[in-house]
Amino acid sequence: GAVVSQHPSRVICKSGTSVKIECRSLDFQATTMFWYRQFPKQSLMLMATSNEGSKATYEQGVEKDKFLINHASLTLSTLTVTSAHPEDSSFYICSARDPASSSTQYFGPGTRLTVL
Amino acid sequence: GQQLNQSPQSMFIQEGEDVSMNCTSSSIFNTWLWYKQDPGEGPVLLIALYKAGELTSNGRLTAQFGITRKDSFLNISASIPSDVGIYFCAGAGGTSYGKLTFGQGTILTVHP
Repeated sequence: GAVVSQHPSRVICKSGTSVKIECRSLDFQATTMFWYRQFPKQSLMLMATSNEGSKATYEQGVEKDKFLINHASLTLSTLTVTSAHPEDSSFYICSARDPASSSTQYFGPGTRLTVL
Repeated sequence: GQQLNQSPQSMFIQEGEDVSMNCTSSSIFNTWLWYKQDPGEGPVLLIALYKAGELTSNGRLTAQFGITRKDSFLNISASIPSDVGIYFCAGAGGTSYGKLTFGQGTILTVHP
């Protein structure tokens, strides 16, 4: 299957700072990537759809100024959590859509964010 | 919006037993996907189903796309300890425009 990487895998930051998470599709080009958030023992919650060369589409209730998404190339999308607060602590996972399928998504390994 | 009901929520089985879990939806999907997630990791795609009635195997795993397009099941035969994890179903298509709708997950525990 396709390989998607995320960096960093873990990050601890102080409240008020910004954190950038990278998502890369390693062996295919992804015009569409997705960002999810997952709370302990819960399913994945879609935050936004990242489209290469255009603005991201955010799900209802997700602050676009808080979670900045940039998809500048066909293999890289970034999520920046701005002015992070403890309530932003979570497991963030990205996925990339298989160009051969309009539906299948391959997920990255996730990033554990802890805001002190 | 669309919702998936995944059951059971959790399973505790002995090594060697077979496992079955399923997802049902009130809406039609064009694609059904099954993922496994280990603690602290992202979901890994197990099986993708694209046609109603399709039955697909991946080693000891077998999944089927329900004929009504509103359900899917995943079977694991002869379970082993490394099958432990959370299994998610996900549906795509219909009115979701490429987004995935996830089930709540099935937590599988396998006792040696």
